Amino acid sequence: KAGVTQTPRYLIKTRGQQVTLSCSPISGHRSVSWYQQTPGQGLQFLFEYFSETQRNKGNFPGRFSGRQFSNSRSEMNVSTLELGDSALYLCASSGESIYGYTFGSGTRLTVV
Amino acid sequence: KNEVEQSPQNLTAQEGEFITINCSYSVGISALHWLQQHPGGGIVSLFMLSSGKKKHGRLIATINIQEKHSSLHITASHPRDSAVYICAVFPAGGTSYGKLTFGQGTILTVHP
Repeated sequence: KAGVTQTPRYLIKTRGQQVTLSCSPISGHRSVSWYQQTPGQGLQFLFEYFSETQRNKGNFPGRFSGRQFSNSRSEMNVSTLELGDSALYLCASSGESIYGYTFGSGTRLTVV
Repeated sequence: KNEVEQSPQNLTAQEGEFITINCSYSVGISALHWLQQHPGGGIVSLFMLSSGKKKHGRLIATINIQEKHSSLHITASHPRDSAVYICAVFPAGGTSYGKLTFGQGTILTVHP
């Protein structure tokens, strides 16, 4: 059974640009959550999608957005990148039960 | 005060020692998650539990719901156990589904 796949693994962007990250959940999982990990703030919740609807949102500015497609794949977008957006972005998926909660390997974004 | 507190923040051990990492939380939860992250790596789920005790190999996790406390034990520690161990909780309540709240992590170093 394939795990949670995040692409790309690494990304370097320039300040002011925008970026789109992708997350393909485990087959059959309909919930996808996104997290940001930085050395200073640790792991923080961005948002969660279920059946194409955002069910939960963390405390991040509107530059951070996401969406989920009918096949449960999710994307997150960050517009007008800032240096402080450099982080490891993780997604996790689950099915009907949270006991299948599985993390992807993450996308490491560097903003220069 | 953070909703999830871990102790100790740093832990150094000699190979073969018994290790305990503690996690206390202040909110009602539906489940607690122990995670492992090696340097530069992604996050791996070790255990998810809502009551009692779970064991996998040399790792044991326990939770006391009444005391809002969980422990992760590593028996016969090995240098490959060196990693950051993170406690995370799923807050109770349907509106919090898919949203983990994280402790600050415990950095474990096991010397040969």
